[in-house]
Amino acid sequence: IAGITQAPTSQILAAGRRMTLRCTQDMRHNAMYWYRQDLGLGLRLIHYSNTAGTTGKGEVPDGYSVSRANTDDFPLTLASAVPSQTSVYFCASQRDEGSPLHFGNGTRLTVT
Amino acid sequence: SQQGEEDPQALSIQEGENATMNCSYKTSINNLQWYRQNSGRGLVHLILIRSNEREKHSGRLRVTLDTSKKSSSLLITASRAADTASYFCMADSWGKLQFGAGTQVVVTP
Repeated sequence: IAGITQAPTSQILAAGRRMTLRCTQDMRHNAMYWYRQDLGLGLRLIHYSNTAGTTGKGEVPDGYSVSRANTDDFPLTLASAVPSQTSVYFCASQRDEGSPLHFGNGTRLTVT
Repeated sequence: SQQGEEDPQALSIQEGENATMNCSYKTSINNLQWYRQNSGRGLVHLILIRSNEREKHSGRLRVTLDTSKKSSSLLITASRAADTASYFCMADSWGKLQFGAGTQVVVTP
């Protein structure tokens, strides 16, 4: 079934550790996004990529990095996790500007 | 700041009733989209309305858009227990995407 796969589904991580959240799509969509969702704050954009080889910063990029080596994969890396990065992380893809977003089922991350 | 803001924050209704939620946004848009999120899952796209459209239907969903007031509404008719979810609007300003904080809808049998 076509869609977006995120891994892991959940993770408990010690503060200071490095972590990469994986996101893969098989729809050949051009744009991909990383959001974090926190209670009362809605969805906030971390980083995005309009096409393979390009990335951009969203609303809350500090402490996170991304890469887009190919169309399908868009990993999100926390170089040194902090407790404030405890959140649910969603990856999304979009075929073209103006079209709907497709979301993965998220990664629930707890930083202790 | 949130481009899309929604009210109410929460809504509790009985099966068979209609549910209405509203979304306001700040800048001009290309389109406005509505999404549903079930607990523990990702957002699922429901319906997209373009800036030159005033009303759109999809099954039991009806969306209106008033660009002069920068607002949109989502109506779910004859609600079912399975409609229990959070609903989000997303304002698309030519590639700049902003989500509202969502409306949590509970439909009781």
